[in-house]
Amino acid sequence: QQQVKQSPQSLIVQKGGISIINCAYENTAFDYFPWYQQFPGKGPALLIAIRPDVSEKKEGRFTISFNKSAKQFSLHIMDSQPGDSATYFCAATTETSGSRLTFGEGTQLTVNP
Amino acid sequence: NAGVMQNPRHLVRRRGQEARLRCSPMKGHSHVYWYRQLPEEGLKFMVYLQKENIIDESGMPKERFSAEFPKEGPSILRIQQVVRGDSAAYFCASSPQPLSEQFFGPGTRLTVL
Repeated sequence: QQQVKQSPQSLIVQKGGISIINCAYENTAFDYFPWYQQFPGKGPALLIAIRPDVSEKKEGRFTISFNKSAKQFSLHIMDSQPGDSATYFCAATTETSGSRLTFGEGTQLTVNP
Repeated sequence: NAGVMQNPRHLVRRRGQEARLRCSPMKGHSHVYWYRQLPEEGLKFMVYLQKENIIDESGMPKERFSAEFPKEGPSILRIQQVVRGDSAAYFCASSPQPLSEQFFGPGTRLTVL
């Protein structure tokens, strides 16, 4: 029940295209959903996050869409750039877990020039 | 303001030896989290600590692993009698308070020969 399922495992898009990564969860107590970006040899860095009281959040080229009834959320990267090539992790946590993050398995994104 | 610091960045140990991983949180952060990332997998929560207290160790293996966050100095993750399966990247994150953004360090990559 604590799992977060992420897909696809890997994704290749052309420069300028839209990258879409999906996550699904089971624990309805999750109330904070961040996305992290990780470059090789580096630690994850927070990209964007959403709470379940909104259905969409946009920051620049990055948008989170949230579907509470389906228990799914997704990351959209518009106008994808080669510099976006990285591994992306969705995560979730609950207030009662004390901020313990449950991560998805990760998506390796490659943006071709 | 320096970010989360971890050392060493790379650590090689032989089976049966001890590994000590250090994490200095960001200035002003009193909450520390340790996560483990196995090859080709997502990050898994291990332990959550505040100064001098272990708040949640539900992700820690029952044997050989321990963590501390003393009043003075860095947080330490200690692995006794390492085995090859302990080879992974260990990430530390810190936050100023619960349920706020976690800032990750660059990780320590442990290799057990």
